[in-house]
Amino acid sequence: GAGVSQSPSNKVTEKGKDVELRCDPISGHTALYWYRQSLGQGLEFLIYFQGNSAPDKSGLPSDRFSAERTGGSVSTLTIQRTQQEDSAVYLCASSLTTVSTDTQYFGPGTRLTVL
Amino acid sequence: GDSVTQMEGPVTLSEEAFLTINCTYTATGYPSLFWYVQYPGEGLQLLLKATKADDKGSNKGFEATYRKETTSFHLEKGSVQVSDSAVYFCALSRTGTASKLTFGTGTRLQVTL
Repeated sequence: GAGVSQSPSNKVTEKGKDVELRCDPISGHTALYWYRQSLGQGLEFLIYFQGNSAPDKSGLPSDRFSAERTGGSVSTLTIQRTQQEDSAVYLCASSLTTVSTDTQYFGPGTRLTVL
Repeated sequence: GDSVTQMEGPVTLSEEAFLTINCTYTATGYPSLFWYVQYPGEGLQLLLKATKADDKGSNKGFEATYRKETTSFHLEKGSVQVSDSAVYFCALSRTGTASKLTFGTGTRLQVTL
């Protein structure tokens, strides 16, 4: 079946602009996660969604970052007033549930470059 | 808080050599432990996992054993191939934290002929 998909694959923007990154999880997966992979910080958790519960936003680095998940499926990560330090690869993952033993399946990522 | 420490890379080996990538963790309770791999130009994919102490995860000739007494989950392979060249990430998820993964910094493996 189809895996996790993300769009765009690459995004170049100017400092101060807003960007939206999209994630389509595996069908039937109730949990969806966003991570960021950057040279300075490695792989870090940003936010997760589980069904209709309130999202866990504990990893978001600032209030310029927000995310939503519509209809329990597609998710959009929005970064407002982008800064150069936001340049990174943004990864989305989904899992069947949020049980700690569940495998997370990752998308190919969106590479964001802020000029 | 939770943390994962991996050996520094890059690791360069000749084909058919034995591989060990060390991983130790700090977490309360009984986390689940994972190795993810990122091949050049590809996304992260699960290599193997272990969910309780003394469990051994294995896949594609790779193995790792969950050692609670030493808080370790070292990755091993008896004979590496050029196709194993990739970045390997050790990670944990703790019960009650909704499976959010805490990753190590990654270890780059380069296998040469």
